[in-house]
Amino acid sequence: DTEVTQTPKHLVMGMTNKKSLKCEQHMGHRAMYWYKQKAKKPPELMFVYSYEKLSINESVPSRFSPECPNSSLLNLHLHALQPEDSALYLCASSQQALTTDTQYFGPGTRLTVL
Amino acid sequence: GQQLNQSPQSMFIQEGEDVSMNCTSSSIFNTWLWYKQDPGEGPVLLIALYKAGELTSNGRLTAQFGITRKDSFLNISASIPSDVGIYFCAGRTSGTYKYIFGTGTRLKVLA
Repeated sequence: DTEVTQTPKHLVMGMTNKKSLKCEQHMGHRAMYWYKQKAKKPPELMFVYSYEKLSINESVPSRFSPECPNSSLLNLHLHALQPEDSALYLCASSQQALTTDTQYFGPGTRLTVL
Repeated sequence: GQQLNQSPQSMFIQEGEDVSMNCTSSSIFNTWLWYKQDPGEGPVLLIALYKAGELTSNGRLTAQFGITRKDSFLNISASIPSDVGIYFCAGRTSGTYKYIFGTGTRLKVLA
């Protein structure tokens, strides 16, 4: 099973709202990732967690706050977003973070900020 | 952020035709991945390559890890309508966290 699940599928929020995106994998992977993807563009890396510790923050604004409660779960907390933050948010996981192993993506959350 | 050069950018083909696309990089990679993405969905892994010169197939898809380790190729044989989508390559160097993604090839099949 190479499944990564994400909820919700769609999210509409105002600029003053607080919301969270959730990601889950049960493949025993120890690395998890958040990506942002704008239309017709490749995914852009936001955060990398390795063994539940934040390993990379690609200079993401603080209105995005990641959290890794355990090895299977990854959250992305959203607060005071801007309309330009509207995008497809993708979660991914891999066995490890620094080895050349394969990365599997979830179906994504389509976020619209009004 | 850093991106790989992927070509062609888009292509129309007739059903049944073979398709070729490639990615080139100025950096040497230890892993190449090929993904297909449908609109509004996450990328689905098609093929993973781990060694220079490696040739791997997955049904009608065949991908190769270039000998120079700076390029990779994906071929689709006998295309069908469900091959429509965007194909991304992604490469990574061992010891780094980050996969670098290609700019994507948008495939459109004419029935």
